[in-house]
Formats: sequence, C-alpha cells, structure tokens
Amino acid sequence: ETGVTQTPRHLVMGMTNKKSLKCEQHLGHNAMYWYKQSAKKPLELMFVYNFKEQTENNSVPSRFSPECPNSSHLFLHLHTLQPEDSALYLCASSQEQSPSYEQYFGPGTRLTVT
Amino acid sequence: KQEVTQIPAALSVPEGENLVLNCSFTDSAIYNLQWFRQDPGKGLTSLLLIQSSQREQTSGRLNASLDKSSGRSTLYIAASQPGDSATYLCAVPYGQNFVFGPGTRLSVLP
Repeated sequence: ETGVTQTPRHLVMGMTNKKSLKCEQHLGHNAMYWYKQSAKKPLELMFVYNFKEQTENNSVPSRFSPECPNSSHLFLHLHTLQPEDSALYLCASSQEQSPSYEQYFGPGTRLTVT
Repeated sequence: KQEVTQIPAALSVPEGENLVLNCSFTDSAIYNLQWFRQDPGKGLTSLLLIQSSQREQTSGRLNASLDKSSGRSTLYIAASQPGDSATYLCAVPYGQNFVFGPGTRLSVLP
C-alpha cells in the first residue's frame, strides 16, 4: 500500500466502549497528525508527533489518548466518549513538522458515538 | 492568532464555466499556502502548495495565486467539469502547523 491508510473506515461505539483508531504512513515521513472534522466546522488539529515525540496537544480532552510507537504508525485510543465526539477523524503525515512540507492525508475514520 | 476564511461557502455552476475560489487570512507573515480538495466523507487531497516567492502555481486546469500583502489567495478552476465537484480548503501556516479554512463546497452541474 502507498500513502496514508486509516482503519477502521467507519466505527460506531457506545459511550462506555474503548476503541482505537489506527493510522499508517508508507511515505517515510517523520511527522504525523490527528485532526478532527465536525460538521460545519473547520478542521481542528488535535495532536502532532514529530520524530515519535508528541509536540502538540491542542487542549484535547483526556478521553482521547494518542500513541506513536514508531514514525510509521499512529494510534488514537478512545474511551468514554460523548455524542459530540462524533466526527471524521483524519490522520496526516509530512516530512517533518513544518509548514514548509506538504501534508498528506488518509481517508479518515467516520466515528459515531451513540 | 491566524484566522482563515473562504468565500463563497458554497457554489453551484454549470459545466464548462471558469470559476474563482477565495481564501483570506489575517496574519500575512506566511511563506506558503496549500490548497486541498475533499470529496464527501473522504480525506484531503493536496492540490497545490504555493510559496510566497512564487506568487502563482499551476497544475492542469488549476491556478493558485498568493498575495501576502492583502492576505488573500485565489484558486482558479478553468473549464469546470462535474468531476470537480468537491469541497476545496485552503491551509495557512501558523507556527509549526497549518490552520484550515472552512472550505468552499463546489457543485458543477452537467
């Protein structure tokens, strides 16, 4: 596979469940990002990892927990979510964490919290 | 803080028309700007990354311009086709990251 992949593509979970989103990039990049896209709102940056170190946590609630075991993989662990957390979660990568480099996005995970 | 707006929010045109999408930003101290396309329920596809030194960048029927002094960028789409229907987002650097505009939803009618 090439580019940025995300699994699952769709996820429905109850408020008491625990689930994880997975992102993998095959581009040799060193920076990976989680974004949240809610209906009728601009894309919101959640977390950034640069060379496996977390460099940004954009005031995200602790019910979202990121994990970056290596430069190619990024996870978002979810627990006790709220209905307002329903959104499209997008993963992206770039050569390094800098606007000098283009960002490449995965197809997203559509999350519905019931 | 960098704020990004896009006008219009939605646009519907007949096939074959040339059109212009606008992106405005408040902090003009940027050195590039990126345009993306997003199909419904999908991820973002990078269209153009325009450097401030370039002022203009072209890819096929797409042409993007950047005017830092006025805080504006335009994306020009020539001879629009139904396959161009999507949401178009601009992204502007802020610190080490990008700030995204809300997007323009384009429908090209056959």
